[in-house]
Amino acid sequence: DTAVSQTPKYLVTQMGNDKSIKCEQNLGHDTMYWYKQDSKKFLKIMFSYNNKELIINETVPNRFSPKSPDKAHLNLHINSLELGDSAVYFCASSQSRREAGREKLFFGSGTQLSVL
Amino acid sequence: KNQVEQSPQSLIILEGKNCTLQCNYTVSPFSNLRWYKQDTGRGPVSLTIMTFSENTKSNGRYTATLDADTKQSSLHITASQLSDSASYICVVSVISGAGSYQLTFGKGTKLSVIP
Repeated sequence: DTAVSQTPKYLVTQMGNDKSIKCEQNLGHDTMYWYKQDSKKFLKIMFSYNNKELIINETVPNRFSPKSPDKAHLNLHINSLELGDSAVYFCASSQSRREAGREKLFFGSGTQLSVL
Repeated sequence: KNQVEQSPQSLIILEGKNCTLQCNYTVSPFSNLRWYKQDTGRGPVSLTIMTFSENTKSNGRYTATLDADTKQSSLHITASQLSDSASYICVVSVISGAGSYQLTFGKGTKLSVIP
């Protein structure tokens, strides 16, 4: 079974629409993340979330919002989609460690979003 | 200019050969350095994590080295296999506050192993 699974794999939509990407992890991790990989292939953090704290990358537009119904899920909602939102979005999870910063990240397979 | 630079951008090698990928970084204060393998259409998978006190770490045919003084790391792949074809991403973890950190990703080196 896939440890971190996200759906859909591909998402094609029109500008101005609202869409969601779902993510689930069955690793029992306490922290989940959303990353964006743009056309230049750089991965950039968008959000990190555990049951205590949501950390938002200040460069992320407020059209993007994470929703966590429980510890195993972190969905990404995007309102009023724009052409520049086209990218691959990766969900990831990790387990907090006493030595902060050494958590091993486990990534999903990505969702390729194309905004037309 | 990205603070984690990788070279070469792409590399083609014959199956069975060895290769070395490079990573230079300027971010600080340094916490640890990671190498990830990303197959096409998949998410990155962790290969190694090294702190400043670790000079080398192996994971099967993958050996990562770290020189925290010169801020350089390398990933050596021995006896390459077709399945090694992927992008290899260098990631540096930087301490960004009390108990918090930030990951900075390189652009990756795209490795193609051909028969």
